[in-house]
Amino acid sequence: DTAVSQTPKYLVTQMGNDKSIKCEQNLGHDTMYWYKQDSKKFLKIMFSYNNKELIINETVPNRFSPKSPDKAHLNLHINSLELGDSAVYFCASSYIEGYNEQFFGPGTRLTVL
Amino acid sequence: AQTVTQSQPEMSVQEAETVTLSCTYDTSESDYYLFWYKQPPSRQMILVIRQEAYKQQNATENRFSVNFQKAAKSFSLKISDSQLGDAAMYFCAYRTISGGGADGLTFGKGTHLIIQP
Repeated sequence: DTAVSQTPKYLVTQMGNDKSIKCEQNLGHDTMYWYKQDSKKFLKIMFSYNNKELIINETVPNRFSPKSPDKAHLNLHINSLELGDSAVYFCASSYIEGYNEQFFGPGTRLTVL
Repeated sequence: AQTVTQSQPEMSVQEAETVTLSCTYDTSESDYYLFWYKQPPSRQMILVIRQEAYKQQNATENRFSVNFQKAAKSFSLKISDSQLGDAAMYFCAYRTISGGGADGLTFGKGTHLIIQP
């Protein structure tokens, strides 16, 4: 059983295009996150959503927009893609209370040409 | 803002030996969570071990244990009896308890662990 899934796993696109990455979790968690891992493997939080409400939004360009149709899904939309957006994007989920162990999806490798 | 520092970009250990990965962090908070995540070449992020700052006892999970020194803001990971499957990037991570619990993790830059057969 897949706990946190992302589609697609690989995405290659041209500069200027708009793309989306989908994330779904079947763990019953109430909070979901998006992280970006750059070419040097550095992981940084981009967004988190709790009960369909944006909780944090780090210094991310407004070309990136998270969309959560329900608490099991958190999609990432990226407009006007730039070369610097090339990275691996991870979705994660957790409960808001307690340990808040975050379960990660398999990641989506985005390559912008 | 909190920061997490992993000073060892790469470590190498012989199979069956013990290795310790270092992590220090900077925070003004008194309560928080600390984690070690493993990322093998498959790139899946796997939780290795976690520690609550208010617990003095060091966490242990089978061959993995931590040395948590709260005053020194240090959280090192010890891997005993290293196995080939332990080869991976290891990330130290911090999570604040304040802010309602929906905060993301703050990661260090990672340590690439190589296991020599």
